[in-house]
Amino acid sequence: EAGVAQSPRYKIIEKRQSVAFWCNPISGHATLYWYQQILGQGPKLLIQFQNNGVVDDSQLPKDRFSAERLKGVDSTLKIQPAKLEDSAVYLCASSHHITGRFSGELFFGEGSRLTVL
Amino acid sequence: SQQGEEDPQALSIQEGENATMNCSYKTSINNLQWYRQNSGRGLVHLILIRSNEREKHSGRLRVTLDTSKKSSSLLITASRAADTASYFCATDPTGANNLFFGTGTRLTVIP
Repeated sequence: EAGVAQSPRYKIIEKRQSVAFWCNPISGHATLYWYQQILGQGPKLLIQFQNNGVVDDSQLPKDRFSAERLKGVDSTLKIQPAKLEDSAVYLCASSHHITGRFSGELFFGEGSRLTVL
Repeated sequence: SQQGEEDPQALSIQEGENATMNCSYKTSINNLQWYRQNSGRGLVHLILIRSNEREKHSGRLRVTLDTSKKSSSLLITASRAADTASYFCATDPTGANNLFFGTGTRLTVIP
């Protein structure tokens, strides 16, 4: 079974530039997550999708971050304009979970490491 | 904050010894999960324990949950060098699979 695919693996940009990350979840997984992991910290949830609807985006800085999941499969996370404090690893995860049905493990991709100079 | 907090922040042991990591959290939970992260990689799920369970085993892993104390522990027995990684607990307060991760314990197993 193919895992969660993310690209690019590494990205270096100047502050105020824009960047986009792409995620392809495990086939059949209804729920997709984007997490931000700053060096030395645990992952922080940015947004959770179920199919192509948003379940939780309360911690997404909406003035600069946006995310979409078209057709309930792939997802993109965009940052525009980037700030120095956005330097982090952006992790995508997917899960078989459906709200009200059952909880379960998250499957993570390898992450996209962003450096903002 | 709903985020868990692991203790200790770092742990260094000899191969063959047991490693114990603790997690404390602040809100009620539906379940608690443990994940491992090797340096520069994504997280890998280890074990899930539901709020009505007190102990769970998986291979060399043993997890306990005390909801009255809002704490959990992860025991790795007979550690190996390959167990070197960061370990995170993650709480699911509502069962919506919205996981809140702790700060992690960095485990180093010395061959």
